[in-house]
Amino acid sequence: QKEVEQDPGPLSVPEGAIVSLNCTYSNSAFQYFMWYRQYSRKGPELLMYTYSSGNKEDGRFTAQVDKSSKYISLFIRDSQPSDSATYLCAINRDKVIFGPGTSLSVIP
Amino acid sequence: NAGVMQNPRHLVRRRGQEARLRCSPMKGHSHVYWYRQLPEEGLKFMVYLQKENIIDESGMPKERFSAEFPKEGPSILRIQQVVRGDSAAYFCASSPVAGGHTDTQYFGPGTRLTVL
Repeated sequence: QKEVEQDPGPLSVPEGAIVSLNCTYSNSAFQYFMWYRQYSRKGPELLMYTYSSGNKEDGRFTAQVDKSSKYISLFIRDSQPSDSATYLCAINRDKVIFGPGTSLSVIP
Repeated sequence: NAGVMQNPRHLVRRRGQEARLRCSPMKGHSHVYWYRQLPEEGLKFMVYLQKENIIDESGMPKERFSAEFPKEGPSILRIQQVVRGDSAAYFCASSPVAGGHTDTQYFGPGTRLTVL
């Protein structure tokens, strides 16, 4: 079983939609969770960083962690075409372990 | 404040040649990480270095690959006798302190290696 799993998509939504991106992880000892955004042919950039169960909000983005089910989510409200990218969930143990990424397209 | 810099951005090599990828961390960062990203796959950790020390190379293939981060100058990822399967995007990241759970890594733009 992979340590971090993520539906690769692709996911296509109309502009303005609410987007839900999800990951599961295998080791209940993981405590620190991140979401990165990667535009085509660019390096990943950190979007959200959180630990412990609960929600963390930053503008249109909300990161949610449910440790009981080992499930992490990223919600994007009022999605924009500029949100079109690959979204990588990651856990940070002694090194960062990435999920494979979900490709998102927001259609104008 | 310049971000993580990588060069070259694109590198083409023929099978059997050597590839050298360079990474200059952000100013003030002394920890460097290398990742490989294959098409349709996620980022895979390769190696973690501090100045003049390899801390964790558990993700590095045992042969043909090596990495260094000298006291002066950029970090170098070296691939000897490249094969077609080495074609990938190689990303470098840096952090100011040890890349533990409370620190975050900042990524460079990557080097895209193509092996003909």
